[in-house]
This record gives sequence, C-alpha cells and structure tokens, in this order.
Amino acid sequence: QSALTQPPSASGSPGHSVTISCTGTSSDVGGYNYVSWYQHHPGKAPKLLIYEVNKRPSGVPDRFSGSKSGNTASLTVSGLQAEDEAEYHCCSYAGSDNLVFGGGTKLTVL
Amino acid sequence: QVQLQESGPGLVKSSETLSLTCTVSGDSMRYYYWSWVRQTAGKGLDWIGRIYTTGKSQYNPSLKSRVTMSIDSSKNQLSLKLTSVTAADTAIFFCARGPRRDYFDSWGQGILVTVSS
Repeated sequence: QSALTQPPSASGSPGHSVTISCTGTSSDVGGYNYVSWYQHHPGKAPKLLIYEVNKRPSGVPDRFSGSKSGNTASLTVSGLQAEDEAEYHCCSYAGSDNLVFGGGTKLTVL
Repeated sequence: QVQLQESGPGLVKSSETLSLTCTVSGDSMRYYYWSWVRQTAGKGLDWIGRIYTTGKSQYNPSLKSRVTMSIDSSKNQLSLKLTSVTAADTAIFFCARGPRRDYFDSWGQGILVTVSS
C-alpha cells in the first residue's frame, strides 16, 4: 500500500486554527472509519490525539478535532499554542490487517 | 501508566540482522496488540507489523519476507528481527501498544538504528 499524503508543513499564529489534511484512497481512508492522528515532538514518544476519525482519548484537549470526507481525513488544531509545534502523523487501517501512515506534517506556530 | 522502552544495537552492518527489544512496564501486555513502527530520515512513519499476546502476528507486506516478531509476556518484552538490512533500513524504530489493530495509545521514545556498509 502507498503512504497517505500529508502536506509537508503547516503553520499558524497563536490563538488561530490550522487544519492538516491526510489523503488516501477508497482502500484505506475512504473505506474505513479507522483514522488516527499522532503528535510527535522529536526525541519523545508520539502521542495519540485522535482515533476512529474523530474520537479523542481522555486527556487530549478539545482543541484537537478530527473529521473525514471521502478519501481525505483532517486534523484541526484550534487555539494554537506554542507547545503545539510538532510533527503530526495520520494513520489509516488499509484492510487485511494492514496499516498505512502519512508522510507527516511539521506544524510551526508563528 | 504504561511505559515502553526500546533497546538494542544502534549500529548494524549491511546484510546482517537487526534485533531490537521493547520492554513494557507499568501494565500487563495481555489483551493488547504490540507493533513496531519506524521513521526514516525526512520521511513519515512506516508500520512494520504487530503481534498479539497469543503470538499471532501480521506484517507489512513490503517487509514480510524479512520480519519476525515475538513476544514474551512473562518478561513483558517484545522483539523485532529484520534480516538482510541495507542502508534504506536506517531509521528510528518505535514500539507501540494498541488496544485494537487500528491505532496506538502508547509509544516508546524510539531507538535510532544505523545500517553501515
């Protein structure tokens, strides 16, 4: 399976919102409601932000939200804060017990 | 709170076998799926495969011929073996826990493994 497509970079000012896209195909993103998002500060353990497209684990602020339309999933970060500057990775179930990740998006808080 | 810690050689010679261990603390390994994920330089994450506590495993088709995972619940450890490595296998390797097969709720910090010629 091919990697999901994410923009290499995104940016936004503190307090503003930014949306990161994750585009796949009908065989992964479009075919299942099993998209997850992870925040990764280099050198640290990645952190689960969203699972099953739009569900937040306990402890994740509601500033982070997920959605999906067709073959594209999206992560929106509202009320940007300096600590949101990190890499963001999407992941989708791709059938036959396989998983596929996106290329990652580096978010810069201006 | 569960913690995952990867360990193993940071340098492996080309054509040899990469072997890593992930030690889990703070929780039982039972009833979870355990995966290995890698990140190559400048690229995104790449799912390598997963193993359940019964020992049943599934691997990324692109790596299946070279990957073996095992689990020892009594030691709270899982392991990864990747054979016939090349420079393209140089990456940060993470172990991760999944309540289900489709997402990960806990990760290790990762270990950098460099393949040298």
